[in-house]
Amino acid sequence: DTGVSQDPRHKITKRGQNVTFRCDPISEHNRLYWYRQTLGQGPEFLTYFQNEAQLEKSRLLSDRFSAERPKGSFSTLEIQRTEQGDSAMYLCASSLPGSGGNTIYFGEGSWLTVV
Amino acid sequence: AQSVTQPDIHITVSEGASLELRCNYSYGATPYLFWYVQSPGQGLQLLLKYFSGDTLVQGIKGFEAEFKRSQSSFNLRKPSVHWSDAAEYFCAVGGSGGYQKVTFGTGTKLQVIP
Repeated sequence: DTGVSQDPRHKITKRGQNVTFRCDPISEHNRLYWYRQTLGQGPEFLTYFQNEAQLEKSRLLSDRFSAERPKGSFSTLEIQRTEQGDSAMYLCASSLPGSGGNTIYFGEGSWLTVV
Repeated sequence: AQSVTQPDIHITVSEGASLELRCNYSYGATPYLFWYVQSPGQGLQLLLKYFSGDTLVQGIKGFEAEFKRSQSSFNLRKPSVHWSDAAEYFCAVGGSGGYQKVTFGTGTKLQVIP
C-alpha cells in the first residue's frame, strides 16, 4: 500500500531562489490538498484540486506560490523568489470523498528552510 | 467560517494514567470531525473520525472520541496512556456537504512521564 509521498523531504535554499515540491497522492484519490505548517501551529490550508482542476486557493497563497496537477495525478507546488517567512513544512494530502465522508490522508511533509 | 479551538497547548500525564484532550469546533452545519497525531518532523496520522451515527467513535491505538453537538465538542480520550503516545494531537473540522476544506486547531502537545 503506497500512501501519499512527497519529495524532497528537506530543502535548504537561499533567499530569492525558486523551489519546487512534488506530491504523489494515493492512486485512486481524486482530491489533492496542500497545507503549510509552521512550528507550534496546526496545518493551514493553501489550495485544493479535484482531478486536474484547482478549485480553491487560500489568501495565504501569494502570487509567488503556484500549484499544478496537470494530469490529475501528481502535483507540484512551486515557490518563486523565496523569503525567510516561507520556511515551513509543506504538507500534501489526498482523499476520495464518498458516502462514508471525506477523509484526508497526509504525506510526511516537505521541510523548507530559507537562509 | 469554520474553526477549531484546542484550549490546552501542552498536557503532561503519567504513563498509565487516563487522558482527555479537549476540542471545540465552530461550524454552521453537521460537521465532519477528525483527530490526527503528529510525531516530531513527521506528517499527520489519522486517529479517528466522525461523520454520522454513533457519537462515540473508536480509533487506532486505543483512542476514542465523543461528539457532543450541544457542546460543539469532540474530545479525545484514552483510558491508559503509553510512553509512545507522546506527540502532538490535532483536532480538525470539515464540511459534510460536498467538498469543504478541513480546518485544524493549533494542537495539543502531550508529554508522558514515567
